[in-house]
Amino acid sequence: QKEVEQNSGPLSVPEGAIASLNCTYSDRGSQSFFWYRQYSGKSPELIMFIYSNGDKEDGRFTAQLNKASQYVSLLIRDSQPSDSATYLCAVNLNTGFQKLVFGTGTRLLVSP
Amino acid sequence: EPEVTQTPSHQVTQMGQEVILRCVPISNHLYFYWYRQILGQKVEFLVSFYNNEISEKSEIFDDQFSVERPDGSNFTLKIRSTKLEDSAMYFCASTQGTFYEQYFGPGTRLTVT
Repeated sequence: QKEVEQNSGPLSVPEGAIASLNCTYSDRGSQSFFWYRQYSGKSPELIMFIYSNGDKEDGRFTAQLNKASQYVSLLIRDSQPSDSATYLCAVNLNTGFQKLVFGTGTRLLVSP
Repeated sequence: EPEVTQTPSHQVTQMGQEVILRCVPISNHLYFYWYRQILGQKVEFLVSFYNNEISEKSEIFDDQFSVERPDGSNFTLKIRSTKLEDSAMYFCASTQGTFYEQYFGPGTRLTVT
């Protein structure tokens, strides 16, 4: 069973702090990795995707990938109350058709 | 910015009825998907569609489900005889390929009574 694991949280951080979200995956053949933000009752909104080992930065967000250790993380700098949401980690398995397997998500709460 | 669109936003139907959920993927994308999310649970893959045929489907996607791309823009999911347990948010998604973003539509909330 190909799985993606996330701590369900909630992860509570004060406004302005760095939030660190982690995800591990079981399939070593996984090719690309996605972080989505999901507000209650809404659809997943793509934040970052990464497919090479190392860091990828986009504004306040940094995705980190370590394929040897099979983990991917998302750092959110200068966290804002509007960042409060559930963050979904999704992994593109090596099946050739790009289906995503999702984790259960980590709920992030940013307090003013 | 291009986006995936879905209609309707909310569909209420009675058990045993047929429903069709509609999606317009991003125009230059090649791979299309349906996912669902039961309230409080994780997003689950249903089916992928490439080159006008199903490329992969999950165990959830049984004979009651079908997908179609009736023209160059629409992508539909049909549930022939809905069950109470089909109540969920259904998301359409699309991508250009492996090393590209996969974007989700706003979803259709299906309620089966």
